Amino acid sequence: AQTVTQSQPEMSVQEAETVTLSCTYDTSESDYYLFWYKQPPSRQMILVIRQEAYKQQNATENRFSVNFQKAAKSFSLKISDSQLGDAAMYFCAYRSAAWANSGGSNYKLTFGKGTLLTVNP
Amino acid sequence: DTEVTQTPKHLVMGMTNKKSLKCEQHMGHRAMYWYKQKAKKPPELMFVYSYEKLSINESVPSRFSPECPNSSLLNLHLHALQPEDSALYLCASSRPGGGNNQPQHFGDGTRLSIL
Repeated sequence: AQTVTQSQPEMSVQEAETVTLSCTYDTSESDYYLFWYKQPPSRQMILVIRQEAYKQQNATENRFSVNFQKAAKSFSLKISDSQLGDAAMYFCAYRSAAWANSGGSNYKLTFGKGTLLTVNP
Repeated sequence: DTEVTQTPKHLVMGMTNKKSLKCEQHMGHRAMYWYKQKAKKPPELMFVYSYEKLSINESVPSRFSPECPNSSLLNLHLHALQPEDSALYLCASSRPGGGNNQPQHFGDGTRLSIL
């Protein structure tokens, strides 16, 4: 079974600064997808960024980028020019890329325990 | 605006009540999910429907009964719940099957309190 570990329960950053949230995972699969979700106090889980394991290039979405190290099974999220609206719980998640007849494993998202990010003005 | 709509946003019920949570999406997704989330914890998967058929039941107690009437709707029927069932219930949808990087899209959730 896959596991996802977020070793930083809480992080804080000054507005306009850069912060990196760490995520490591354990899997025996070679093909999978990784996601970072953000959950502000408003409750909705919002997709921040996604990465396909077969792609060597790190994904970027505006101020958000990842450092994907497949061999090290590491998937950290960097937030540049932090804004007050970035304050939220951040969850790293893993999903198998196995086909649908794999017993449903490709439907399941395995989440880390989350990192609570505070942005200070 | 969320593309997955959940109603109600808040629900308070007694342990003997029967109520239902509703979820609707119009993105053409054929996989829909129910999650339970406790405060400051990650979501826990409860059920997955694929093409309106129950695909995964994560050993959820029978007091939770899911239903998928059509490809856009997902219900969660609640009966005889316990205080420990108080939580945020999230619905999500996605394209089904493997081989794609499409993420799950989540609703705002229903905050459920059991008295």
